[in-house]
Amino acid sequence: AQTVTQSQPEMSVQEAETVTLSCTYDTSENNYYLFWYKQPPSRQMILVIRQEAYKQQNATENRFSVNFQKAAKSFSLKISDSQLGDTAMYFCAFPGGGSQGNLIFGKGTKLSVKP
Amino acid sequence: DTGVSQNPRHKITKRGQNVTFRCDPISEHNRLYWYRQTLGQGPEFLTYFQNEAQLEKSRLLSDRFSAERPKGSFSTLEIQRTEQGDSAMYLCASSLQGASNQPQHFGDGTRLSIL
Repeated sequence: AQTVTQSQPEMSVQEAETVTLSCTYDTSENNYYLFWYKQPPSRQMILVIRQEAYKQQNATENRFSVNFQKAAKSFSLKISDSQLGDTAMYFCAFPGGGSQGNLIFGKGTKLSVKP
Repeated sequence: DTGVSQNPRHKITKRGQNVTFRCDPISEHNRLYWYRQTLGQGPEFLTYFQNEAQLEKSRLLSDRFSAERPKGSFSTLEIQRTEQGDSAMYLCASSLQGASNQPQHFGDGTRLSIL
């Protein structure tokens, strides 16, 4: 079975500092994509960043970057220069298999950025 | 791009009643997904449409649940004879057809509360 595990239910970081959220997954697929989504309080879920498994280079989107370790099936999210608006639930997600693209989500990490 | 729209935002009903939710995807997206999210959990996949065809249903989708997308545009999710355990946030997402790298765009969700 394909699974996604986020082992940090809650984290906090001071504004302007760096924080890393961890995610591990299990799959028998060889080519796949991994996603980090952000869900602010009472707001809709938005895509933060995605990584293609066949690319060795880690994806980067402004202050957000990933550390993708394919052999270890690890996909962590690093947020640099944390801002108050980064306060949200962060979900790691993985396509459920086949070509349908339905996502399997982890349980999430609640990130609080403190002033 | 007006985003994914879901109605209503909140629904409170008595146990045993039927409820129906609506999702309007991004207009050019031909894939539409329904997820359920309970407190403290990540979203769980329910069902998926490509155009008007319902291509996959999760085992979570009991026979009390039915989803339609009659003209390949908006979709409805109906729950019959609601139970306490149906209380959750119901999320709709849409995406372009393609490989599993296509990001899903989420609506604000419909929060269902069963009295």
